[in-house]
Amino acid sequence: DAGVIQSPRHEVTEMGQEVTLRCKPISGHNSLFWYRQTMMRGLELLIYFNNNVPIDDSGMPEDRFSAKMPNASFSTLKIQPSEPRDSAVYFCASSPHVAGGPLRETQYFGPGTRLLVL
Amino acid sequence: GEDVEQSLFLSVREGDSSVINCTYTDSSSTYLYWYKQEPGAGLQLLTYIFSNMDMKQDQRLTVLLNKKDKHLSLRIADTQTGDSAIYFCAEIGDTGRRALTFGSGTRLQVQP
Repeated sequence: DAGVIQSPRHEVTEMGQEVTLRCKPISGHNSLFWYRQTMMRGLELLIYFNNNVPIDDSGMPEDRFSAKMPNASFSTLKIQPSEPRDSAVYFCASSPHVAGGPLRETQYFGPGTRLLVL
Repeated sequence: GEDVEQSLFLSVREGDSSVINCTYTDSSSTYLYWYKQEPGAGLQLLTYIFSNMDMKQDQRLTVLLNKKDKHLSLRIADTQTGDSAIYFCAEIGDTGRRALTFGSGTRLQVQP
């Protein structure tokens, strides 16, 4: 299994530009999570999906952030317009979330996208 | 809401044991996890424990859970320089919320 795949791995952009981060979860996993990690705020949950449906987006900072999951194998996190304070590492994670089993809620993380907004 | 707290930093000498501590507030916690993050990488699951267990051992790793005090610890025996990383404690409860609550992470520095 290839694990959770994120692209791009690094993104440098200018303030005001649109940024799109992509994630492919592990095949067969039903839940997908987007996190942001910064030195100041640590690891923050932005939004998570279950069976492609957004369940909790209370962590999304503001309307400039949006996330979609059009199918079970793909999700995007979009920032429009981007600002320097959005600079962070963005992680995607997926979990099996199937009935039963000891690891049904375990999250498997991708390598992250390091975003720098100038 | 749920809260998970960890100390920020721990320094040990190579060969010594490391103990990383974590406290949580969610009384409905069902699973508790330890993740490891190496520089420039994502979080990697190290181990987990069910809330009805007191201890779990996995090679050099020992997890202790004191459910009464809501205290979780991770002991790494014979710590190596390759163990230097940030260690995150996380929990999930039985409230219907399916997302993990993570601590702020403990940076472990192993000195040769």
